[in-house]
Amino acid sequence: GDSVTQMEGPVTLSEEAFLTINCTYTATGYPSLFWYVQYPGEGLQLLLKATKADDKGSNKGFEATYRKETTSFHLEKGSVQVSDSAVYFCALVFKAAVNKLTFGGGTRVLVKP
Amino acid sequence: KAGVTQTPRYLIKTRGQQVTLSCSPISGHRSVSWYQQTPGQGLQFLFEYFSETQRNKGNFPGRFSGRQFSNSRSEMNVSTLELGDSALYLCASSLLGEPYNEQFFGPGTRLTVL
Repeated sequence: GDSVTQMEGPVTLSEEAFLTINCTYTATGYPSLFWYVQYPGEGLQLLLKATKADDKGSNKGFEATYRKETTSFHLEKGSVQVSDSAVYFCALVFKAAVNKLTFGGGTRVLVKP
Repeated sequence: KAGVTQTPRYLIKTRGQQVTLSCSPISGHRSVSWYQQTPGQGLQFLFEYFSETQRNKGNFPGRFSGRQFSNSRSEMNVSTLELGDSALYLCASSLLGEPYNEQFFGPGTRLTVL
C-alpha cells in the first residue's frame, strides 16, 4: 500500500540554522504531496503542497520540491526561528481518494535561541 | 471566520463503554474527514463524509463509525472501547470534495480509555 517515510526526530537546532527534513514515499501512481505542521496543543496546518512532479511548494520560508525520480519531497528552510518549533508531517493524497491523506510518522523540530 | 471546532476537547472513558465525538466544520465546508493520532501508529485516516455520505474509509474495525448531518456537522462513534483507542482524534473539513482542496484541521479530541 501507499506509505510515507520521514526522518525520525527530534531534530534540535539553533536559531538561524538550516533545516532539512527528509520525506520519501511509496505509491502506485503520482500523488499530490503535502507538508503539515502541528504546533503544541493545536491541530494540523497545511504548510505547503505540490501536485505534480518538479513542482515546488513554498510558504513562510519553507520549500519542498516534488522529485518523481527519487519519490521524495524534502522540506527545507534556510534560517529557522524559535517559533518554527513544532512537529512536521509529510503526507500524500491521490485524486481518486480525494481527502484521504496518508501521513508520515512526523518529525519533531526544536529550535533553541 | 470560525475554524473547525471539536467537542469535547478531552474525554475519559473506561473499557467497554462507547463514546461520541462531534465536529463542526467551517461554514460552507461539505467534506469532513476523521483521523486518529497515536504515538505508536501516527496519524491514520478513519473515514470521510461528503454531503452526508461516507465516501472513503480507512482500515479500522466496525466499532468505529461516523455520520454527517445535513448541516455538514459530523459525529464519530466508537463502541466497546479498548485501551488502544486512547488517542487524539482529529477532524478536518474542506470546501468541496475536489482533489487538492486544503483540509482545515480542528484542535482534536483527546480520548483516554482506562
